[in-house]
Amino acid sequence: QKEVEQDPGPLSVPEGAIVSLNCTYSNSAFQYFMWYRQYSRKGPELLMYTYSSGNKEDGRFTAQVDKSSKYISLFIRDSQPSDSATYLCAMRSHPSIIIQGAQKLVFGQGTRLTINP
Amino acid sequence: NAGVTQTPKFQVLKTGQSMTLQCAQDMNHEYMSWYRQDPGMGLRLIHYSVGAGITDQGEVPNGYNVSRSTTEDFPLRLLSAAPSQTSVYFCASTQGPAREQFFGPGTRLTVL
Repeated sequence: QKEVEQDPGPLSVPEGAIVSLNCTYSNSAFQYFMWYRQYSRKGPELLMYTYSSGNKEDGRFTAQVDKSSKYISLFIRDSQPSDSATYLCAMRSHPSIIIQGAQKLVFGQGTRLTINP
Repeated sequence: NAGVTQTPKFQVLKTGQSMTLQCAQDMNHEYMSWYRQDPGMGLRLIHYSVGAGITDQGEVPNGYNVSRSTTEDFPLRLLSAAPSQTSVYFCASTQGPAREQFFGPGTRLTVL
């Protein structure tokens, strides 16, 4: 079983729709949760970054973390064609955990999203 | 700042050939990593470094070597290329383990 599971899609929605992207994980030591956006033939870029449980909002994007369920989500409101990309979740443990490999960033498989005009 | 740069952008190799993928960053980041990205597999960590002279293995290290003689550079060496190493390779750097990782533009490698 992979440490981080993400539905690869593809996901196709009409412009203006609310998009929900999700990841589940198995390692209870994960405390930092990130969403990266990757446009075609480009490197990933950080979109949202949250620590521990709760919500974080940035414009049309909201990241949610539910550590009790080991489940994180990214919501995109009023989706635009420019949001079409692959979205990758990523997570890591706290820096104070001194176990070999604990500092690694673990990625989900990525979800390919298309917003249709 | 140029950020994270990678060369070459594209490369075709024959089985058994060796080559070095170059990665450089100008942000004075201590942490650098190499990932490979394959369809349906996401980003998988090959090797990483927490500072000059210090490297460690990631999830898929076999067939790859790294060294870190300076803070700026983190080259990835393929000793004897195999078709299974056909992939897109990304280098990344970060200021610390809980900070944002910055990715380079990637190198698309095909091994025939």
